[in-house]
Amino acid sequence: GENVEQHPSTLSVQEGDSAVIKCTYSDSASNYFPWYKQELGKRPQLIIDIRSNVGEKKDQRIAVTLNKTAKHFSLHITETQPEDSAVYFCAARTGGGYNKLIFGAGTRLAVHP
Amino acid sequence: NAGVTQTPKFQVLKTGQSMTLQCAQDMNHEYMSWYRQDPGMGLRLIHYSVGAGITDQGEVPNGYNVSRSTTEDFPLRLLSAAPSQTSVYFCASSYGTGGNTEAFFGQGTRLTVV
Repeated sequence: GENVEQHPSTLSVQEGDSAVIKCTYSDSASNYFPWYKQELGKRPQLIIDIRSNVGEKKDQRIAVTLNKTAKHFSLHITETQPEDSAVYFCAARTGGGYNKLIFGAGTRLAVHP
Repeated sequence: NAGVTQTPKFQVLKTGQSMTLQCAQDMNHEYMSWYRQDPGMGLRLIHYSVGAGITDQGEVPNGYNVSRSTTEDFPLRLLSAAPSQTSVYFCASSYGTGGNTEAFFGQGTRLTVV
């Protein structure tokens, strides 16, 4: 079945450093790849997404890249700040014409001042 | 505009009891889904619905039932609760596959089965 693998499971960086989280997906028909941020005790919230006809997308300090051939996509956070500390989830929308999202297991990012 | 509303926020059940987790959205979204979140396992899809009267199974459907009688509501039923169903449950909704497909999550229901 559809599967999304996410690495690493935990990531610790110093404030100001960059953080990279990587995901791979199994369904070659997947065409939409969102990233969600979940702060402690809160609901997941969308931070950036990318569609299969685009290779890269940026929004201020965050960017996402997509390699359709290799079926992997990555989240890049530059100039990290303590408020970036959270759990990040990648997801892939499976083929079939509906917004069915399969999520990765999550990455717990800790940004140390 | 309340978005996605889940009730209750917290619930403790005894093994074998049944209950319904409620989810309602006021954004006229066609697509609704239920996820469970367990430590180290991310968000796993339980059931989803692509419109009123249409539901389908996700990754981990066993032990759960759903129905979708209206566009707004998508309740999740546990017929006979088991300790393995202790988890945080999130409902999400979105448009179908048009330009705006952002999934919005409810605030979650923390369920403990003892």
